[in-house]
Amino acid sequence: NAGVMQNPRHLVRRRGQEARLRCSPMKGHSHVYWYRQLPEEGLKFMVYLQKENIIDESGMPKERFSAEFPKEGPSILRIQQVVRGDSAAYFCASSPPGGREQFFGPGTRLTVL
Amino acid sequence: GDSVTQMEGPVTLSEEAFLTINCTYTATGYPSLFWYVQYPGEGLQLLLKATKADDKGSNKGFEATYRKETTSFHLEKGSVQVSDSAVYFCALSDRAGGTSYGKLTFGQGTILTVHP
Repeated sequence: NAGVMQNPRHLVRRRGQEARLRCSPMKGHSHVYWYRQLPEEGLKFMVYLQKENIIDESGMPKERFSAEFPKEGPSILRIQQVVRGDSAAYFCASSPPGGREQFFGPGTRLTVL
Repeated sequence: GDSVTQMEGPVTLSEEAFLTINCTYTATGYPSLFWYVQYPGEGLQLLLKATKADDKGSNKGFEATYRKETTSFHLEKGSVQVSDSAVYFCALSDRAGGTSYGKLTFGQGTILTVHP
């Protein structure tokens, strides 16, 4: 049973470009969570999605960030017009329906030049 | 809102020493509590968990007991190894509504370095 998959593992963008981060949850998991880890800090919650629904986006910046989890395909975290402050590790986690435990992917490390 | 506070790091120990990393929490409901470990350049791995008061989670020699009266979930290991060097995160999860659990709230992480 493959774990949570994220790609790319490393992403370099110039200021003003768009970043798209992908997350494929574990088989049978319909809940996806995105977290951001800034350098020397802990993980901060961004958004919680179920298939085709955003359940909690209380941690998402109001502008430039969006997330989706379509009926088919991976979850996507999209950052438009990236700035240097967006440089961080972005982690995706998944859980089964009703599950307390979240399983994490290896992360995507975004560097904005 | 929910919050988790971990002891300040970094923590440096010699091999076979006793480890304690303190964790206290604030939550409005009845959270589940977790310890995650992160090795350099990797994602988080669940180390252990406890879902109700007085539960003890244990794994790979690590233990933590859910203490509701002191709102704590301290991590302990009797004899650490060099391979335990990593960052340790305490976290809680509360119900999002219905039967599903929502976001994890993390502490700031504690860097552990174990020397031979």
